[in-house]
Amino acid sequence: AQSVSQHNHHVILSEAASLELGCNYSYGGTVNLFWYVQYPGQHLQLLLKYFSGDPLVKGIKGFEAEFIKSKFSFNLRKPSVQWSDTAEYFCAVNDSWGKLQFGAGTQVVVTP
Amino acid sequence: DSGVTQTPKHLITATGQRVTLRCSPRSGDLSVYWYQQSLDQGLQFLIQYYNGEERAKGNILERFSAQQFPDLHSELNLSSLELGDSALYFCASSVTDRGLGNTIYFGEGSWLTVV
Repeated sequence: AQSVSQHNHHVILSEAASLELGCNYSYGGTVNLFWYVQYPGQHLQLLLKYFSGDPLVKGIKGFEAEFIKSKFSFNLRKPSVQWSDTAEYFCAVNDSWGKLQFGAGTQVVVTP
Repeated sequence: DSGVTQTPKHLITATGQRVTLRCSPRSGDLSVYWYQQSLDQGLQFLIQYYNGEERAKGNILERFSAQQFPDLHSELNLSSLELGDSALYFCASSVTDRGLGNTIYFGEGSWLTVV
């Protein structure tokens, strides 16, 4: 069965610091990859997605992610975080059967 | 706003009771998914419907059931509720039932508290 691993459960950093969240998946076939964000008390919002093509994808709010097929990874990055980026971030994988499998999530706290 | 509408937003009920959560997918979306988010289990896929038919089943308890109606809205029925059923229940929708090339959009969720 496929699985999604997010390396960090909690990350605390200061404003203007760079952020990188790790995500690895285990699945041998073709997959689509997503990062969702959940701000406190809110629903899941799509940050970015990878279907095919350029492995470096850019999303909303200055986030980007790089798909490295050989490493089964899809890490999320942001060069300079803001306080408003405080949220929980979920990596997700969608295979040909359509079921979206989520990682455990990473809680990111950005301090002023 | 994702376009996926869920009601009610908050619900408090007693153990042993039954509740129904409702979801309206985005306009044009035929596929509806239900997810449960709890502190100990994270985000768990429950069930998927496509154009009225069940497509996939995940970690859904026998006490729970769902359906998708001809107008494409969906309902998740939770019965014989236990304290452990307290969670945020998300509905999501997408255009197709295929996985690849398909983006899934989430509603704001229904907070269920069982007391």
